[in-house]
Amino acid sequence: GAVVSQHPSRVICKSGTSVKIECRSLDFQATTMFWYRQFPKKSLMLMATSNEGSKATYEQGVEKDKFLINHASLTLSTLTVTSAHPEDSSFYICSASDETQYFGPGTRLLVL
Amino acid sequence: GESVGLHLPTLSVQEGDNSIINCAYSNSASDYFIWYKQESGKGPQFIIDIRSNMDKRQGQRVTVLLNKTVKHLSLQIAATQPGDSAVYFCAENGSGNTGKLIFGQGTTLQVKP
Repeated sequence: GAVVSQHPSRVICKSGTSVKIECRSLDFQATTMFWYRQFPKKSLMLMATSNEGSKATYEQGVEKDKFLINHASLTLSTLTVTSAHPEDSSFYICSASDETQYFGPGTRLLVL
Repeated sequence: GESVGLHLPTLSVQEGDNSIINCAYSNSASDYFIWYKQESGKGPQFIIDIRSNMDKRQGQRVTVLLNKTVKHLSLQIAATQPGDSAVYFCAENGSGNTGKLIFGQGTTLQVKP
């Protein structure tokens, strides 16, 4: 299957700071990438759809000014959690789609 | 509303036995279904997919069955191994051509040695 990477794998930051998470499709070009959030023992919650060269489409209830998404190339999308607070602590997972969605390994964010 | 659910939150099987994980979906417009495996602390891993024009598809040790009449999807794992222990999610593409997936709540598979 296709390979998707995420960086960093885990990050700890202070409340009020911003954190950037990168998602890369390593062996295929993805015009569409997706960002999910997952709480412990829960299913994946779609946050937004990231389209190369255009604005991201956010799901209802997801603050676009809080979670900034940039999809600058066919192999890279970034999610920036701005002014992070402890309630933003979660497991963030991206996926890249070439019809089937392939997922990255996830990023564990802990906001102190 | 759209939803994908699984019948059992946890399934415990003996090593070597076959496992069957079930999933019910509600959107009759869905025409693409995927099973993912997620190990603790990792991202979901693609296992197998099936389109609505098929009712069965086989992979290596896994088989997916689709019953569109009752909107039911199942994943069968043959000769279950300890490495199969994980959470399994079914996903459907729902209506529209957005590329989005709707995930079920997940079934935890525990393999007893």
